[in-house]
Amino acid sequence: DAGVIQSPRHEVTEMGQEVTLRCKPISGHDYLFWYRQTMMRGLELLIYFNNNVPIDDSGMPEDRFSAKMPNASFSTLKIQPSEPRDSAVYFCASSLWGIGNTEAFFGQGTRLTVV
Amino acid sequence: AQSVTQLGSHVSVSEGALVLLRCNYSSSVPPYLFWYVQYPNQGLQLLLKYTSAATLVKGINGFEAEFKKSETSFHLTKPSAHMSDAAEYFCAVSLGPGNLIFGKGTKLSVKP
Repeated sequence: DAGVIQSPRHEVTEMGQEVTLRCKPISGHDYLFWYRQTMMRGLELLIYFNNNVPIDDSGMPEDRFSAKMPNASFSTLKIQPSEPRDSAVYFCASSLWGIGNTEAFFGQGTRLTVV
Repeated sequence: AQSVTQLGSHVSVSEGALVLLRCNYSSSVPPYLFWYVQYPNQGLQLLLKYTSAATLVKGINGFEAEFKKSETSFHLTKPSAHMSDAAEYFCAVSLGPGNLIFGKGTKLSVKP
């Protein structure tokens, strides 16, 4: 498997624009996570899905953030409208939870810059 | 709720010296524990994990960690640092799926 695939790798957008980040999890994994990494706050869990269903979105900072998982092989994280404080690296991760399988596998991340 | 504390945001060692990165956790029940490594502009890669089997866990690239319940610690060590070990290291604790909490990270520098 190619691992978790995120696109784009870099995104520069103007304040107020809509931004959509994409993620393809590892085939067969039943959990998908979206994390945000900043210098100030470190790695924060934004939301996670189990079998395409959102389970916990308590980490989503504001209503401007939304995430979907229409099928087992695709998820999006959308920010609308974007603000400069949303600048961060956004990671998608997936896992297959079970006996002996407890770790999450991370994508390369999307570096978002909002100017 | 569980938490993770990594002591030292920056650690610098000489090539060939012992690497020791500290991690303490707080959890009301036995957790799963992990160390991840992040190279510049890369995602996080699993180094090793503790899942209640052996308390001394060996990982990739010569790293190992020991789970000490009495000290609530899971420190990461490597006997001899290599230049390629320079990266940021994250300790994480989990009580179940979707419950992975990361420490703030420790940036390791290796001097020639």
